Amino acid sequence: RKEVEQDPGPFNVPEGATVAFNCTYSNSASQSFFWYRQDCRKEPKLLMSVYSSGNEDGRFTAQLNRASQYISLLIRDSKLSDSATYLCVVNGDSSYKLIFGSGTRLLVRP
Amino acid sequence: SQTIHQWPATLVQPVGSPLSLECTVEGTSNPNLYWYRQAAGRGLQLLFYSVGIGQISSEVPQNLSASRPQDRQFILSSKKLLLSDSGFYLCAWSVQGGNYYGYTFGSGTRLTVV
Repeated sequence: RKEVEQDPGPFNVPEGATVAFNCTYSNSASQSFFWYRQDCRKEPKLLMSVYSSGNEDGRFTAQLNRASQYISLLIRDSKLSDSATYLCVVNGDSSYKLIFGSGTRLLVRP
Repeated sequence: SQTIHQWPATLVQPVGSPLSLECTVEGTSNPNLYWYRQAAGRGLQLLFYSVGIGQISSEVPQNLSASRPQDRQFILSSKKLLLSDSGFYLCAWSVQGGNYYGYTFGSGTRLTVV
């Protein structure tokens, strides 16, 4: 089983739509969770951390379900500029490592 | 503010040639440093990480090596490149305990081995 698993997509949605991505992780001891965004041929950039109680940043909402070991990202009112690959990230079994999922690709069409 | 520099942006190298990629961080001290590789259409693979000068941990056995000669400098090397070494190489830094704050990536080097 992969340490971090994501549906690769692509998710093809119209502007204004709401879209949700899920990610599952295998290490029940993981404590740190993030969503990164990666544009085509660019470096990943931190989108938001994921907190136990869930957190929101504008149109983006992240949720953590420790019991089921999954993380979700909800994007409301999708914009064309949201088109990118979204990477789920979880800390590994050492204190220094973050494990990146392979990403979910989002395409927002006009 | 902290910045991370990585160069070159693109590189085309013949099979069997050596490689040296450099990464430097500014505006912070004693960062954790990381080298990742992303093959075309694939996820990020951690290659090496370093928690201090001269301290290198290797995640994947291969023909690559890493060194950290100075606190904010991280170098990725190879003596002889293979075709399978092609990919997008990303350097990243974090504060100590970076698991809780995430990583910041450099802009990457796109390596094509021909």
